[in-house]
Amino acid sequence: NAGVMQNPRHLVRRRGQEARLRCSPMKGHSHVYWYRQLPEEGLKFMVYLQKENIIDESGMPKERFSAEFPKEGPSILRIQQVVRGDSAAYFCASSPGPPWEQYFGPGTRLTVT
Amino acid sequence: AQSVTQPDIHITVSEGASLELRCNYSYGATPYLFWYVQSPGQGLQLLLKYFSGDTLVQGIKGFEAEFKRSQSSFNLRKPSVHWSDAAEYFCAVVPNQAGTALIFGKGTTLSVSS
Repeated sequence: NAGVMQNPRHLVRRRGQEARLRCSPMKGHSHVYWYRQLPEEGLKFMVYLQKENIIDESGMPKERFSAEFPKEGPSILRIQQVVRGDSAAYFCASSPGPPWEQYFGPGTRLTVT
Repeated sequence: AQSVTQPDIHITVSEGASLELRCNYSYGATPYLFWYVQSPGQGLQLLLKYFSGDTLVQGIKGFEAEFKRSQSSFNLRKPSVHWSDAAEYFCAVVPNQAGTALIFGKGTTLSVSS
């Protein structure tokens, strides 16, 4: 059973470009979570989605960031007009549902130059 | 403020020695509790979890953790450390049954000396 898949593993963007990060959950999992890991801040929750619905986006920055989990295909975390401060590791996790045992993907390392 | 605290930023133990990594939380109700391990450049692997019941839980790779309600703690232990255990360890909490997000501690980096 394949684990959580994320691509790309590494992504380099220039300031002002868009970054698209993809996450395919484990088979049978319909709940997806995105986290960001910054060296000085640790791992922080960004958003929780189920198919076609955003359930909790309390950790998402108010501007430039968006997420979706369509009926078909992977979940996408989109960052518009990237800035240097967006450089981080972005992790996706999935779970089959309550009680919230989350399995993580390998992450996407975003570097903004 | 509600939080998850891992008091030790960095710990070094000798190979074969025992290990205990500390984790404290400050949430009113008993949360769901987790320990994850992260090797450099990798994702997080779930070591073990506590939802309810027996307060001593067994995980993968020979790890165990004990939930102590009176101390709001969930410390991770291993009786004999192997060099391959060197990694960063994160304690995480879902504060209550209505919660969704994992709240992480800052992590403890484990080094293993020979």
